[in-house]
Amino acid sequence: DTGVSQNPRHKITKRGQNVTFRCDPISEHNRLYWYRQTLGQGPEFLTYFQNEAQLEKSRLLSDRFSAERPKGSFSTLEIQRTEQGDSAMYLCASSTLTGGTDNEQFFGPGTRLTVL
Amino acid sequence: AQKVTQAQTEISVVEKEDVTLDCVYETRDTTYYLFWYKQPPSGELVFLIRRNSFDEQNEISGRYSWNFQKSTSSFNFTITASQVVDSAVYFCALLSQKAAGNKLTFGGGTRVLVKP
Repeated sequence: DTGVSQNPRHKITKRGQNVTFRCDPISEHNRLYWYRQTLGQGPEFLTYFQNEAQLEKSRLLSDRFSAERPKGSFSTLEIQRTEQGDSAMYLCASSTLTGGTDNEQFFGPGTRLTVL
Repeated sequence: AQKVTQAQTEISVVEKEDVTLDCVYETRDTTYYLFWYKQPPSGELVFLIRRNSFDEQNEISGRYSWNFQKSTSSFNFTITASQVVDSAVYFCALLSQKAAGNKLTFGGGTRVLVKP
């Protein structure tokens, strides 16, 4: 499978615990994105990497959230001291840049987080 | 600021009927891209189409067609002769070339239910 993969697919945790999600983008894609989707809503942008550099973070990304892409390949999203409001689907997407134009973003299956 | 509005939250049709999904967008930028994604019950966002702001030509792909009108800031999507497999949530999205983070701004989605 050469698409975007995410692990785990589901995570149930207790409030106050830390969780970490992983995203493996399509191999030749140098851009990687994290989005959050709550029930009945469209995805909302969280952060964006070009290679290993994190170039943009949304105001939605509080201090409890941190994302890394250490070698410009896979990425991790960590949430510390989880709160019930963090319950959502966390989506990862990747894309390439061709001739200065950003190509379409391809999404992974998402990680569904439930905070009890 | 970028904004995408999908006024229809849910549409129910009987198989073989045509269904049109509305999308209205707001942006101050002259160069931007519009997208449609499909999200079936499995949850993964599937890319359907991308249009740039300089190409208003309508497009047809099989049973899918798209009508882009800059004058009304709309990018509507029609499924002809709908099938049960078309049941999903459909999202319209906007990417502005000047947007920080190359982020997609999504609408709230339209749930399409095709009944046999």
